[in-house]
Amino acid sequence: DSGVTQTPKHLITATGQRVTLRCSPRSGDLSVYWYQQSLDQGLQFLIHYYNGEERAKGNILERFSAQQFPDLHSELNLSSLELGDSALYFCASSSPGGGEQFFGPGTRLTVL
Amino acid sequence: AQSVTQPDIHITVSEGASLELRCNYSYGATPYLFWYVQSPGQGLQLLLKYFSGDTLVQGIKGFEAEFKRSQSSFNLRKPSVHWSDAAEYFCAVAPDSWGKLQFGAGTQVVVTP
Repeated sequence: DSGVTQTPKHLITATGQRVTLRCSPRSGDLSVYWYQQSLDQGLQFLIHYYNGEERAKGNILERFSAQQFPDLHSELNLSSLELGDSALYFCASSSPGGGEQFFGPGTRLTVL
Repeated sequence: AQSVTQPDIHITVSEGASLELRCNYSYGATPYLFWYVQSPGQGLQLLLKYFSGDTLVQGIKGFEAEFKRSQSSFNLRKPSVHWSDAAEYFCAVAPDSWGKLQFGAGTQVVVTP
């Protein structure tokens, strides 16, 4: 157990819908990273937040957005969902000093 | 462009045999280097990391990796594999201790009796 929690574990929805994925970092960690794992793209970095502020953006679609709240949990919002958005979404956290990232168990999103 | 290459998509190894997984990177400077393991239906677990110093690093579960600057490589090794080592292994790099991880495509390891 990495100490990073993600909910829900599984999500099944239809095209065009909107979903919210939630992540709670390890106690004391200020950074949250979001990654997408799909069969065709592999593991791709989406976005990084540090203490509530966006620090870096990767291959994140405009239909996707994220935020980090004052209690440091983060949410990834996916809207106008397409079949191709079906993937495993991971969040990771790291300590204030940086270093390794600790991954949550992931949320498996299936878009039908 | 920056890249991380894991040349072997799939490796089959007998239980008790040695294992070596290859990782090559193309980066402007020496990046921070990581190996993660993903068991079926699980998240990613960090095996080991290299930031600086001794180029041979020890990790969890009996794994070690060697950083070779001249070859831009960071290969993972285990002297004797166990059936529980069957999983997918990912090499990853980051520009610094804060940066995003860039992952290789992964190597699927199958362990036979």
